[in-house]
Amino acid sequence: GENVEQHPSTLSVQEGDSAVIKCTYSDSASNYFPWYKQELGKGPQLIIDIRSNVGEKKDQRIAVTLNKTAKHFSLHITETQPEDSAVYFCAASFGNQGGKLIFGQGTELSVKP
Amino acid sequence: ETGVTQSPTHLIKTRGQQVTLRCSSQSGHNTVSWYQQALGQGPQFIFQYYREEENGRGNFPPRFSGLQFPNYSSELNVNALELDDSALYLCASSLSIQGARGYTFGSGTRLTVV
Repeated sequence: GENVEQHPSTLSVQEGDSAVIKCTYSDSASNYFPWYKQELGKGPQLIIDIRSNVGEKKDQRIAVTLNKTAKHFSLHITETQPEDSAVYFCAASFGNQGGKLIFGQGTELSVKP
Repeated sequence: ETGVTQSPTHLIKTRGQQVTLRCSSQSGHNTVSWYQQALGQGPQFIFQYYREEENGRGNFPPRFSGLQFPNYSSELNVNALELDDSALYLCASSLSIQGARGYTFGSGTRLTVV
């Protein structure tokens, strides 16, 4: 069935270090892969996304890579800052089902000053 | 440009009651999706509305229903509330069914069923 697995569930890094979060998806028809940041008491905020015709995308300190063959995609945050601390969710969209997003279980990132 | 607005922000209901949650989509967005997020979990897709019709549904029973209005705002209705319905309910809007430029989420409605 439709499934997105996300690892790790918690991640603690020192300020300035890099953080990597990985996801795998089950449906080879998936064509859109967003990443969301959710802070306490708020809704998910889109931070970067990638579509299946692209292998890598970068936006300042944030990058996402996609390996369609292996059905893996990853979020890379460089030069982490305390304000990066939040829960991060990956998701995969199944385009032929009304654009529904299947979310991973989330990664709680803690950046220690 | 206004974002996605949801109301109310918090709500407490008794088991067996009915509840209506509201969502105003981001300006220019014509598609609205609803998600349920249990504590410590990722959001789960409930359904999506486009042109005032349901366009895709997740694994939720029929007591979860919705509406979309001509101005693209939307309602989520839940009948016969159960304790397990306690969750954060999120609304997301997008420019198209396929989310061509992404999905914008509101801050959610925290529903507690007692």
